[in-house]
Formats: sequence, structure tokens, C-alpha cells
Amino acid sequence: GAGVSQSPSNKVTEKGKDVELRCDPISGHTALYWYRQSLGQGLEFLIYFQGNSAPDKSGLPSDRFSAERTGGSVSTLTIQRTQQEDSAVYLCASGGLADTGELFFGEGSRLTVL
Amino acid sequence: GENVEQHPSTLSVQEGDSAVIKCTYSDSASNYFPWYKQELGKRPQLIIDIRSNVGEKKDQRIAVTLNKTAKHFSLHITETQPEDSAVYFCAAPPGGKLIFGQGTTLQVKP
Repeated sequence: GAGVSQSPSNKVTEKGKDVELRCDPISGHTALYWYRQSLGQGLEFLIYFQGNSAPDKSGLPSDRFSAERTGGSVSTLTIQRTQQEDSAVYLCASGGLADTGELFFGEGSRLTVL
Repeated sequence: GENVEQHPSTLSVQEGDSAVIKCTYSDSASNYFPWYKQELGKRPQLIIDIRSNVGEKKDQRIAVTLNKTAKHFSLHITETQPEDSAVYFCAAPPGGKLIFGQGTTLQVKP
């Protein structure tokens, strides 16, 4: 596809379970971000991948959160032992330049932790 | 620091009036300042951006101004229309990653 694809679009899970969210960026884009958006709130930075450089993990809220980007393409955000406060929309975005170009967002993965 | 502060958080204007949203940033090395629009239930999309080598950029009814000395930049929307109603986010790249402001909910009343 031509755009950023995220899956699942919706995920309902029980407190304490682990979840994996997937992002397929636009082909050729070297920059990939994960942001979190709680209901009616802003775009909270989580993690940033740029090419083969070590990711910037400074936005991850706790050690329950981790992310990988395999082969410079697909990325997976993993949340372990989910808590109710993890409920939010997780948005992935990719871009063709390091930090000075347009980001293209996916539709997001809505996570609900019961 | 790596803060991007945005205000106001909400803004209500009459159709045809102008709207101004302001952002400040802390990293003086930042050199790129985009604005994104997020309509209800949709993904954020870039509407305009400015680089640090210019002070102003216009695109039809929207413009962005940048004051590098004061480390602030603003979005100006003229002749507002109901379809301008959305959440607007500014952003800056402190430390090389794009950080967004808290967002401004703009309501344009017909």
C-alpha cells in the first residue's frame, strides 16, 4: 500500500496481558515514530527510529514498553503487563528525512485495557 | 530541555475571523517547525512547515511566522471557515526527534 499501515486497528485486552502493535511504514522511509494519544489529548512521543542508528527511547513511559524495527522497515511496539492507564490510540508515523520532513501517520491502533 | 509549549488549548472564532496559535520551544538548535491538523477521528496531516532560514511562509489562507531569537513560532489562519475546525499541533525537533505541542482545538462558528 501507499500509506502507513497499522494493526490491529482495535485491541481490547485484560489488565496484566501483553499486547503487540504493528506498523508498516511507507517503503523507503528511514524515520519511524511511535506516539500515544489519549482521549482528547496531544501526541505523546514514545520512540524514534532513524535508519540503522540506535533508537531514541527517551519517551517510553516505563520498562513495560519496548519497540523494535526489523530490517529498517516494520516496527512492533510491545506493552507488557498492560495497565488501564495504557488505554489510548497508538499512532505510528514514518518520514523520508531524519528530523526535517513531513511525517505520514497511520490510522492508529486503539488499545483498551479492561 | 525538550519542551514544545502550545497555546491556547482551545480557540473559538466566528467564521471569517482570523485565528492565531502560538508555540515556544526550548532547543535553540531546532531548525524545522511543522504544523499538523487533526480532524475528528482522523490522523494528523501536515498543513504547513517552516525552516529556520526564513521568518515567514504563506500558503493561501494559512501562514507561519518564526522568531528564532525568542524561540517561538505561530500559525495564522485568515478568513476562517467551518472546515478549519480541528485540532492543530505544532512541532519542533529538539535532540533530533519531532516533539509535538499539546494541541489547540479550533472551533469555527458559522
